[in-house]
Amino acid sequence: GEDVEQSLFLSVREGDSSVINCTYTDSSSTYLYWYKQEPGAGLQLLTYIFSNMDMKQDQRLTVLLNKKDKHLSLRIADTQTGDSAIYFCAETPGYSSASKIIFGSGTRLSIRP
Amino acid sequence: DAGVTQSPTHLIKTRGQQVTLRCSPKSGHDTVSWYQQALGQGPQFIFQYYEEEERQRGNFPDRFSGHQFPNYSSELNVNALLLGDSALYLCASSTWTGRGYGYTFGSGTRLTVV
Repeated sequence: GEDVEQSLFLSVREGDSSVINCTYTDSSSTYLYWYKQEPGAGLQLLTYIFSNMDMKQDQRLTVLLNKKDKHLSLRIADTQTGDSAIYFCAETPGYSSASKIIFGSGTRLSIRP
Repeated sequence: DAGVTQSPTHLIKTRGQQVTLRCSPKSGHDTVSWYQQALGQGPQFIFQYYEEEERQRGNFPDRFSGHQFPNYSSELNVNALLLGDSALYLCASSTWTGRGYGYTFGSGTRLTVV
């Protein structure tokens, strides 16, 4: 089946690292994504990783993929108040990234001063 | 370069009515997908249009229908509205880049059914 699971809430102190975790079920997924959604806004693509990679780094963002355990994580270094948002893990099942995107329910990240 | 444009931004309808939402894709994109995002949930795939045809469909009833025009813009129609159709409706456009598909999402149309 197609399912993406992630924890609902995460609270971190400003300046610390945030780690948001996700598990997915479709072993044939080709692309895995992290999207950010701020209140009242649409979805902003933060980063994506191809399934034959195990890590991708982009400035403060690090994505780790454990394909064996079907586990994806997003690490945000030096978390800032502007990082407060809902973060969605997502996958495109199957071998074509033209297919639908399956989203998790989102992790709400809040920042403590 | 304009991204994905959706209209209207907000809409209030009564149960049983019909609604049409519109989407203009990002320049250079030829594929349009629609998603429904209920409050507190992740977006759920409704359907995808390519070359004016419905290419894929999610688990939504036939009350949800769509159309793609020759200029790649798209409409989402929902008939016989239910209270449960209240949600943020997101449009995403995409095209093949040679390294995969890049999706761009619009800001959405918030539909309230009363």
